[in-house]
Amino acid sequence: SAVISQKPSRDICQRGTSLTIQCQVDSQVTMMFWYRQQPGQSLTLIATANQGSEATYESGFVIDKFPISRPNLTFSTLTVSNMSPEDSSIYLCSVERTMNTEAFFGQGTRLTVV
Amino acid sequence: EDQVTQSPEALRLQEGESSSLNCSYTVSGLRGLFWYRQDPGKGPEFLFTLYSAGEEKEKERLKATLTKKESFLHITAPKPEDSATYLCAVQTDNTDKLIFGTGTRLQVFP
Repeated sequence: SAVISQKPSRDICQRGTSLTIQCQVDSQVTMMFWYRQQPGQSLTLIATANQGSEATYESGFVIDKFPISRPNLTFSTLTVSNMSPEDSSIYLCSVERTMNTEAFFGQGTRLTVV
Repeated sequence: EDQVTQSPEALRLQEGESSSLNCSYTVSGLRGLFWYRQDPGKGPEFLFTLYSAGEEKEKERLKATLTKKESFLHITAPKPEDSATYLCAVQTDNTDKLIFGTGTRLQVFP
C-alpha cells in the first residue's frame, strides 16, 4: 500500500477565491490522479498529474479552473480556482505505484464554498 | 461508452444475514476490476483486484468474483462494522484511469 497525506482535510471558502490542496506520498509512485466526489455521488476523475509536464484533463475539466502541479514523484497539488458553490465537493488524491496496479486514495479534502 | 452499474443502491442487513452486491460493466476491453470500501468522511480503501473471468478473491467476510459481464461482492455473516459504501471500478485496455460505479451503501444492524 501507500501512505498518502492530503491537506487540508476540510475548508470553508468564500466564492471567487482559490484553494490549493496538497498530496504527499510516503514513497515514489508512477501515477497520481485527482478525483472529485460530489455529495452522494461516486468518484469522477479530474486529471492525471504528470511529473514534469502538464496534467492530462478529463472531459469537462480545464486547466484554468483546476491547475495541477507535480514537481516530483511523491508530491502533487490541485488548485480549485475562482470557486463557486457548485465546487463544493470532496477532492481526492489517488496514486498507483506502477501503471495498471491498484490505486490508493488519500483521506480527501471536504470543500464547502459559501 | 464504457459503463459501470452497481446494485442495489442501498442494502440493509441484519447482523449475520449474508448477501451479495452486484457490479455490472460494459467496457471495450477489461484490464482489471477493483472493489473499494468507503467510510463516511474518508477516502476509498482498496479491497480486491480481479483480472479475469472465473477469478475469486477473499478477505475475512468478503469474497469477490468476476464473470465476463459482472462482479459480485459476497458478504458472509456481516457485522455492524461492515457498514460502509462499497465501490466498484474498472480499468480498461484503452486507458489507465478508473471508471467508478455509484456504489452500494450497506448498513448492517445488530
